[in-house]
Amino acid sequence: GENVEQHPSTLSVQEGDSAVIKCTYSDSASNYFPWYKQELGKGPQLIIDIRSNVGEKKDQRIAVTLNKTAKHFSLHITETQPEDSAVYFCAANANTGNQFYFGTGTSLTVIP
Amino acid sequence: GAVVSQHPSRVICKSGTSVKIECRSLDFQATTMFWYRQFPKQSLMLMATSNEGSKATYEQGVEKDKFLINHASLTLSTLTVTSAHPEDSSFYICSAYGQGEQFFGPGTRLTVL
Repeated sequence: GENVEQHPSTLSVQEGDSAVIKCTYSDSASNYFPWYKQELGKGPQLIIDIRSNVGEKKDQRIAVTLNKTAKHFSLHITETQPEDSAVYFCAANANTGNQFYFGTGTSLTVIP
Repeated sequence: GAVVSQHPSRVICKSGTSVKIECRSLDFQATTMFWYRQFPKQSLMLMATSNEGSKATYEQGVEKDKFLINHASLTLSTLTVTSAHPEDSSFYICSAYGQGEQFFGPGTRLTVL
């Protein structure tokens, strides 16, 4: 089955700096890669996703890149703000099934 | 994105009682709903996959007789924790899958005294 690894587990950045979270996957059949943000005491929220037919997707301060050959994808947050502080999860899914495989999460702290 | 609700958001119960948690997809029909359990500062642990009109598929190590799942319609799934014990205290999160995407509910904090 699929195995998703996520690094780092914790990340602290100064407000205004960029944050990068990386994930790798093992199953070449995976073709959908969502990222979720989970604030304390709440459920994860989808913030951005990318499909395997594109290499990069951007939405304001958030971007995701995908390298299919190397089987890794990354979340980039620019101009970080304190409200970006949360736990971020990556996931991988193959459209042949409905199973999502999650990374172990990254706790991001943005220091004002 | 799609909206998924969970009820209740918090529940405190005595040991030995049963607790039912509802998960609803409000604006789309979910062919599949997932139930997760999350301990503090840990990742999501998939408990079971629930397809409308059929029996749920449980992950290894999850007791199907303890965690009863019903998925009677395309917009509602329920998780019942039977004879709850303090070790069942956790954050339970459902998600709904539709059109290739997965959307999470806000979670239910269960505390068993």
